[in-house]
Amino acid sequence: AQSVTQLGSHVSVSEGALVLLRCNYSSSVPPYLFWYVQYPNQGLQLLLKYTSAATLVKGINGFEAEFKKSETSFHLTKPSAHMSDAAEYFCAVAFSRGGADGLTFGKGTHLIIQP
Amino acid sequence: DTAVSQTPKYLVTQMGNDKSIKCEQNLGHDTMYWYKQDSKKFLKIMFSYNNKELIINETVPNRFSPKSPDKAHLNLHINSLELGDSAVYFCASSHHPPYEQYFGPGTRLTVT
Repeated sequence: AQSVTQLGSHVSVSEGALVLLRCNYSSSVPPYLFWYVQYPNQGLQLLLKYTSAATLVKGINGFEAEFKKSETSFHLTKPSAHMSDAAEYFCAVAFSRGGADGLTFGKGTHLIIQP
Repeated sequence: DTAVSQTPKYLVTQMGNDKSIKCEQNLGHDTMYWYKQDSKKFLKIMFSYNNKELIINETVPNRFSPKSPDKAHLNLHINSLELGDSAVYFCASSHHPPYEQYFGPGTRLTVT
């Protein structure tokens, strides 16, 4: 069964500093991996996805993530944090059963941006 | 146009009542889902509907029943509401692989 572990329920960085949000996955098959962002009182917005093409994936809002099979990781980074990046971030792995698919989510990381 | 929409956005009701949440997607996707987000923001899949057929039911109490009148709609009916049902419920939709799902804005259900 697939699972996702996000290290750090809260991450605080200064505006302009590097953002690094960690995600490790467990999957019995080559995984499809995703990062979603949730702003307060809103739904989830897809930031980026890994679907077995390039291992370095670029997403929206300047975020990118690198798939490392040897480390079973899919960490999310952004070179320079902006105040508007403050939100909840979720890593997810896709699973498939009986012809349909779903997502298994990590517990989320709350990103705090210090001015 | 909103890709995935849900109504209502907020729902406050008393224990024992029956309520429904509606979801519509205009993306032409063939699979729709319901997720529950608890007070700690943990997201868990409840149901998946593919071509109007229930595929996944993740040990959800049978008080919850999804109903899909067509591929663009997946409604969630909840009978005999309990305090523990208070949560935010998200609808989502997708094509088949690469599995990316698009989420609605959520419905915050409060049971008093």
